[in-house]
Amino acid sequence: DAKTTQPNSMESNEEEPVHLPCNHSTISGTDYIHWYRQLPSQGPEYVIHGLTSNVNNRMASLAIAEDRKSSTLILHRATLRDAAVYYCILDNFGNEKLTFGTGTRLTIIP
Amino acid sequence: NAGVMQNPRHLVRRRGQEARLRCSPMKGHSHVYWYRQLPEEGLKFMVYLQKENIIDESGMPKERFSAEFPKEGPSILRIQQVVRGDSAAYFCASSPQRGDGYTFGSGTRLTVV
Repeated sequence: DAKTTQPNSMESNEEEPVHLPCNHSTISGTDYIHWYRQLPSQGPEYVIHGLTSNVNNRMASLAIAEDRKSSTLILHRATLRDAAVYYCILDNFGNEKLTFGTGTRLTIIP
Repeated sequence: NAGVMQNPRHLVRRRGQEARLRCSPMKGHSHVYWYRQLPEEGLKFMVYLQKENIIDESGMPKERFSAEFPKEGPSILRIQQVVRGDSAAYFCASSPQRGDGYTFGSGTRLTVV
């Protein structure tokens, strides 16, 4: 499985935008970029995914580099409820299992 | 539409006992995946099942662990003769099709004493 690299932790102030980076230099042409987050004592929650183009949904935006070797999850206005561990995962379409790294622990400062 | 339901939420077993973890997938989802999460680590894939079939058990320990997803009823992850190292959070996910739109449950936290 192609590997992703994320910072171990990040902090952000409440109500400010947050940019969570992910490097995936060995990504293949058919790998989708998925983001999940895990709140304390909860299972992972789907956030967003994309292949080549930038993506927006009600939770976040995903900016994908032109060479696809990196991507950034953007939370436009962080709230305390966004404090979680964020996982960047490559998923070859149709693959039946996700490979989770250790993710980025996001702390939101009130 | 209820999400993925796992029970129990917390399970305490003594060493040597059996642990049975249950997972009811979302309505309409016929693909079930089990993951294990040790403290301060990411989730690790264990097994992927469809109704009455094990599709991929490459992440499952060879001994003491088994999983099933019968035609009727929830998927069961069974751990026989539990040891302290089995203490972890076990998460189940389901999807409507292979590799499409995973939804996770809230997990079962197993503590072996």
